[in-house]
Amino acid sequence: GDSVTQMEGPVTLSEEACLTINCTYTATGYPSLFWYVQYPGEGLQLLLKATKADDKGSNKGFEATYRKETTSFHLEKGSVQVSDSAVYFCALSDIVLTGGGNKLTFGTGTQLKVEL
Amino acid sequence: GAVVSQHPSRVICKSGTSVKIECRSLDFQATTMFWYRQFPKQSLMLMATSNEGSKATYEQGVEKDKFLINHASLTLSTLTVTSAHPEDSSFYICSAPGPNYEQYFGPGTRLTVT
Repeated sequence: GDSVTQMEGPVTLSEEACLTINCTYTATGYPSLFWYVQYPGEGLQLLLKATKADDKGSNKGFEATYRKETTSFHLEKGSVQVSDSAVYFCALSDIVLTGGGNKLTFGTGTQLKVEL
Repeated sequence: GAVVSQHPSRVICKSGTSVKIECRSLDFQATTMFWYRQFPKQSLMLMATSNEGSKATYEQGVEKDKFLINHASLTLSTLTVTSAHPEDSSFYICSAPGPNYEQYFGPGTRLTVT
């Protein structure tokens, strides 16, 4: 079955440091890949997405590139801010197998703490 | 953009009682909605897929008689936790698919069973 593996946290960084959160996946179809963010006390929000190989998703300074050859979708940001502190979830949706139902498979989440 | 709401946001109930959680798509229609459960510091676990006009599809290990799902309209799905026990205390989240393969998530419902 489909699965998503992401690095364990928490990740603690100083403001303006570089961020990388690793994410790898296994899927039998042609998945779309997503990063979701969950701020304290809130629901999940879509951060960025990529629907095919070599696509780069980007939003709010975050980027991730769909690498089919390494089955990866690592999340990166060049300079983090305190306001980026949240839990980040990597996820995939295997459209072929779910017939468009968009069922998501999530990684375990990585907590990011950014300090001044 | 597409918005999904949940009600209530928090609920405390006594052991043995039932609790209903509503999930609404506010500005779009959803023939399918998903219900997740999130434990503290853990990922989201898909519980079931709610299908408008038909029975829900439950994931392995999820008791369908305990977690009743009804998708009565294109904008509303409900999850009823029957005979709740303290181990059912959790954060329940629903989502609905929108365009471009995106899922729109509700803000979640914190259930505490005393």
